[in-house]
Amino acid sequence: SQKIEQNSEALNIQEGKTATLTCNYTNYSPAYLQWYRQDPGRGPVFLLLIRENEKEKRKERLKVTFDTTLKQSLFHITASQPADSATYLCALHGSGNTGKLIFGQGTTLQVKP
Amino acid sequence: DTAVSQTPKYLVTQMGNDKSIKCEQNLGHDTMYWYKQDSKKFLKIMFSYNNKELIINETVPNRFSPKSPDKAHLNLHINSLELGDSAVYFCASSRGLAGGQETQYFGPGTRLLVL
Repeated sequence: SQKIEQNSEALNIQEGKTATLTCNYTNYSPAYLQWYRQDPGRGPVFLLLIRENEKEKRKERLKVTFDTTLKQSLFHITASQPADSATYLCALHGSGNTGKLIFGQGTTLQVKP
Repeated sequence: DTAVSQTPKYLVTQMGNDKSIKCEQNLGHDTMYWYKQDSKKFLKIMFSYNNKELIINETVPNRFSPKSPDKAHLNLHINSLELGDSAVYFCASSRGLAGGQETQYFGPGTRLLVL
């Protein structure tokens, strides 16, 4: 069955450094991959979408890569700030045209001042 | 202006009770979803509706019954609540189905605790 894995251990980094989060998937070849941010007590918020034919996508300090050979996406936050502290979820679209997204369990990022 | 709203925000109830959660979106979207997020933070799709038509019905106990009176509303009714139903339930919407290209907009969640 389709499986998505994100590092369940929290990632702690110093302010100003680059945070890199990993999303690996198996038994699947998604055409799209999305990243969401979730703050405690709130719903996920969309950040970026990358297509299978795109190697890289950028938005301000965020960068996402999508390696369909390795079945992996990397999510980078450059010049990280304490306000970037949150849980980051990757999501793959399920097969067919149902709008279904399959989410990873998320990685919690803590940026220390 | 809240794009996707849910009521109630918190729900504490006894085992065996029946409860409903309501969701409304003012984004003009055609598709709405219900997700369950358990204590381990896994976010799992339960149901989706597109223009009031049921599209996704994951393996969810039939104690859970969604209802979409119009495309701006999607409610979730739960019968005979069990301890394992305790979780955060999120409503979401998207413009359409579009095979995974669509951004989903999430509500604030309803925290259900079954005692």
